[in-house]
Amino acid sequence: DADVTQTPRNRITKTGKRIMLECSQTKGHDRMYWYRQDPGLGLRLIYYSFDVKDINKGEISDGYSVSRQAQAKFSLSLESAIPNQTALYFCATSDLVGSQHFGDGTRLSIL
Amino acid sequence: AQSVAQPEDQVNVAEGNPLTVKCTYSVSGNPYLFWYVQYPNRGLQFLLKYITGDNLVKGSYGFEAEFNKSQTSFHLKKPSALVSDSALYFCAVRADTGRRALTFGSGTRLQVQP
Repeated sequence: DADVTQTPRNRITKTGKRIMLECSQTKGHDRMYWYRQDPGLGLRLIYYSFDVKDINKGEISDGYSVSRQAQAKFSLSLESAIPNQTALYFCATSDLVGSQHFGDGTRLSIL
Repeated sequence: AQSVAQPEDQVNVAEGNPLTVKCTYSVSGNPYLFWYVQYPNRGLQFLLKYITGDNLVKGSYGFEAEFNKSQTSFHLKKPSALVSDSALYFCAVRADTGRRALTFGSGTRLQVQP
């Protein structure tokens, strides 16, 4: 089984819909992250959490929210999706140094 | 603030030749530096990291990277490229103090031709 599992793997939805992407991990790490990947832009950090009670905005948090339900679970929500949020989304965990372990991503298309 | 620059969008190399993928960084204080690789339809996979100590770091799949503090660089190298090395490579940095996430570069696509 994968250490970091993202669901769904693919999603197509319409503008204005609320969407939740889920992430669960079996690494036992306290630190979890959400990134989006766009061609030519690399990975940009949306939100990160260093423990269950800690949530921090990343460089592109507008239009997104997160929930850290437990050490192993970290979900990302788009409250009202818009087409420029079409991207590949990754969840990751890390140890204290920062070595990150990634899920296989969610490909999200907003029409 | 911390940042990473990968100046080449793509690097082309013939199989069997040495390869270098460039990375420079900016960070306040001492850096923790990382290289990751991404294959199609997959998440990023860890290759190697520099925390402290020897400037030459060896990682997975025969890759290595050299930390150069004066040039603020952390170039990824491999003595002999394989076609299977073709992928997208990301450099990342964070400061060694504070509660910070990694900052990633924009990525370099490596194409190894047979």
